[in-house]
Amino acid sequence: EDQVTQSPEALRLQEGESSSLNCSYTVSGLRGLFWYRQDPGKGPEFLFTLYSAGEEKEKERLKATLTKKESFLHITAPKPEDSATYLCAVIDTDKLIFGTGTRLQVFP
Amino acid sequence: GAGVSQSPSNKVTEKGKDVELRCDPISGHTALYWYRQRLGQGLEFLIYFQGNSAPDKSGLPSDRFSAERTGESVSTLTIQRTQQEDSAVYLCASSPWTGTGELFFGEGSRLTVL
Repeated sequence: EDQVTQSPEALRLQEGESSSLNCSYTVSGLRGLFWYRQDPGKGPEFLFTLYSAGEEKEKERLKATLTKKESFLHITAPKPEDSATYLCAVIDTDKLIFGTGTRLQVFP
Repeated sequence: GAGVSQSPSNKVTEKGKDVELRCDPISGHTALYWYRQRLGQGLEFLIYFQGNSAPDKSGLPSDRFSAERTGESVSTLTIQRTQQEDSAVYLCASSPWTGTGELFFGEGSRLTVL
């Protein structure tokens, strides 16, 4: 069975303190690894798609990378507005399977 | 432009009552997905539609749950004889086609069963 595991469950950072979130996956035939951001009381918002090992995508202070077994979301010099839950997901037979997410809090 | 619209945004009901949750997808999106998110937890897949057919209903928790879709438009998720464990946020998402991981989510319907 395809599985997606995220760590840590929660992360508290000081503003400007860089860190990384991890997403491990087991899937037969990866058809993409997807990162989403979810703010409280809102639906998830798409951030990135990664298709093959070695691929990297960037958006502002976020950079997503992919290996054959896991993906990392690197946050460089985060700001309080980066506080959110970050979800990763993989496709399983035409539907997305999500991890449980990492809740990030960035303090000024 | 209009995004995915869900209603009601909040619903409080008594145990044993039936509820209907509605999702209006982005115009032209043929794929529509329902997920459930319990408090502090991840997204749990329920069902998806390709047009008005549902190729995968594997995530529906029990026969109390059903969903339908009219053409490539509105979808309704119905929960019969609600139980307290049904309390959650029900999220709907749409995409131009199936097999893509870029979904557009609504803000969800928060269901509380007393």
